[in-house]
Amino acid sequence: EPEVTQTPSHQVTQMGQEVILRCVPISNHLYFYWYRQILGQKVEFLVSFYNNEISEKSEIFDDQFSVERPDGSNFTLKIRSTKLEDSAMYFCASRDRWGEKLFFGSGTQLSVL
Amino acid sequence: AQKVTQAQTEISVVEKEDVTLDCVYETRDTTYYLFWYKQPPSGELVFLIRRNSFDEQNEISGRYSWNFQKSTSSFNFTITASQVVDSAVYFCALSEEETSGSRLTFGEGTQLTVNP
Repeated sequence: EPEVTQTPSHQVTQMGQEVILRCVPISNHLYFYWYRQILGQKVEFLVSFYNNEISEKSEIFDDQFSVERPDGSNFTLKIRSTKLEDSAMYFCASRDRWGEKLFFGSGTQLSVL
Repeated sequence: AQKVTQAQTEISVVEKEDVTLDCVYETRDTTYYLFWYKQPPSGELVFLIRRNSFDEQNEISGRYSWNFQKSTSSFNFTITASQVVDSAVYFCALSEEETSGSRLTFGEGTQLTVNP
């Protein structure tokens, strides 16, 4: 089974610092996503990305967030100035054009102190 | 707006018991897709099944089965003869997009514990 890989698995940062979460989607996939899960809560959609631009974003995805696909393999989520409430597990996901399922990575646990 | 409700927060069973996880959804679309994902203690989200709104046939995959009923807006998941390895959080999810599996709306999840 192909895999979506995310690094790092854990990230600890101070409030106000910038963080970049990295993801390597499956190589022939075209659609990319970020979701997050605050501890004990449901998984929430953040943003979808296709053809080098954001195709949809949720109300959570404000100006502090940005995504980028800097090369042919990586897909990153940047939080410019982290807040305590950004502490969560962040999941990257990808799918091909006709795929019936999202392949999720193992997540990055972000802790903002 | 779409919504998914998993009323069972936690379920605990003894190995070999059958267990059903409930999922109720709300959507205004006539075309939609329903999913179940498993989140084991290691944290990743593992796809289990997708069902589109036009296919009400129940599905069985080994010890897993799914019961989709549009009349009650439910998509319940049954594990037969549960095993300790089934212990996980199970999420039901809904997508309204034509190309399924896009923006998923997840339920709150049900923590299933299977005791030996």
